[in-house]
Amino acid sequence: QSALTQPASVSGSPGQSITISCTGTSSDVGGYNYVSWYQQHPGKAPKLIIYEVTNRPSGVSNRFSGSKSGNTASLTISGLQAEDEADYYCNSHTSSTTLVFGGGTKLTVL
Amino acid sequence: QMQLQESGPGLVKPSQTLSLTCSVSGGSMSSGNYYWSWIRQPAGKELEWIGRIQLSGTTNYNPSLKSRVTISVDRSNNQFSLNLRSVTAADTALYYCARSPGHGYLDCWGQGTLVTVSS
Repeated sequence: QSALTQPASVSGSPGQSITISCTGTSSDVGGYNYVSWYQQHPGKAPKLIIYEVTNRPSGVSNRFSGSKSGNTASLTISGLQAEDEADYYCNSHTSSTTLVFGGGTKLTVL
Repeated sequence: QMQLQESGPGLVKPSQTLSLTCSVSGGSMSSGNYYWSWIRQPAGKELEWIGRIQLSGTTNYNPSLKSRVTISVDRSNNQFSLNLRSVTAADTALYYCARSPGHGYLDCWGQGTLVTVSS
């Protein structure tokens, strides 16, 4: 299975909004509403921030939102804050009953 | 609140078997219909899903690793394990265990354990 495609890096200024894309195929992202997103700060374990495309776990800021169109899922972070600087990974269930991650996106808050 | 903790040797010789255990505390693995996964991350690189197991024993593996991986569960000790055979330097990574309440999302992670493959 091939990794989902994410941009290597994105950046934004405090207060702005950014969007990270995650492109797969009809066998993963496009075929199921089982896309999740994770935030990983340096030296820390990943943290779930979005599940099943649009849902936020309890305690996750509503500045994080998810969506999907066709084979591409997106994570939007609004009102950027310095603490949002981290690596972000998407993940999807696949038709082979496996999971696949994206290559990760480094978010820089300018 | 459930917590996961990985344990195992930090150094494994090439061609040998990497064995890790994930101990679950703060709740029983049987308390829900969970999947239990292993994920790894080489230094500075992306996350790679290795595989998962349900308490029923049903397993799913990453096709790229399937020939070398076995994941098993020990209900009595509330833990599950990873065996990766015939390791090479490319298997050097931070290994995480995690819980899935549903189709794919991983809501509870261990802190990770570093495994280095070297002679």
